[in-house]
Amino acid sequence: QSVLTQPPSASATPGQRVTISCSGSSSNIGSNTVNWYQHLPGTAPKFLIYNNNRRPSGVPDRFSGSKSGTSASLAISGLQSEDEADYYCAAWDDSLNGPVFGGGTKLTVL
Amino acid sequence: EVQLVESGGGVIQPGGSLRLSCSASGFTISNSYMNWVRQAPGKGLEWVSVFYSAGSTTYADSVKGRFTISRDNYMNTLSLEMNSLRVEDTAIYYCARQYCTTTSCYPGAFDYWGRGTLVTVSS
Repeated sequence: QSVLTQPPSASATPGQRVTISCSGSSSNIGSNTVNWYQHLPGTAPKFLIYNNNRRPSGVPDRFSGSKSGTSASLAISGLQSEDEADYYCAAWDDSLNGPVFGGGTKLTVL
Repeated sequence: EVQLVESGGGVIQPGGSLRLSCSASGFTISNSYMNWVRQAPGKGLEWVSVFYSAGSTTYADSVKGRFTISRDNYMNTLSLEMNSLRVEDTAIYYCARQYCTTTSCYPGAFDYWGRGTLVTVSS
């Protein structure tokens, strides 16, 4: 059971916008920033979003993040077939004294 | 170009030991916060341990007392010594660098990852 809660799956058609939620508590998302990763099995996870809504260099602006209270969201607009992957949220947890992750959301591009 | 390459995974019996290595290139690990993160089959990511640039270390409760993280500055390599292995330690183990700018380090943010090495604990 992951500390952060994500829906196990999401789907949308090419060109559409999809959002993936991430729910936590006051000890993690409620008091720390949220980060997002894209992961294709067999490859290295890719750094997508940090500090709730900042994009590292090279990440397209189709990817955006937001946070409100103890929840966060990743939005992907103009969906492309290559966006089909697993997406994970992460945040520092003050109680556990370490970073915690969501269980991951498998995004299917129909 | 920053690269992280893990090695050392394999099949080991419960109670056994294994040492993982992460060879880094394109940057100096002694100036970075280096982590191990794992993913059990069909599960999400789980943080395991961190080696801070100043030399301190922290572990997840699930591995505390059994795993030891270390760093070889000369070889620019991060290691994870795993003892008293359990079936539930079966996972792909990733080496990951925490994202830091010149002014801030972002907890839970990992900008570079390796492709992982598989550890299977089974009798």
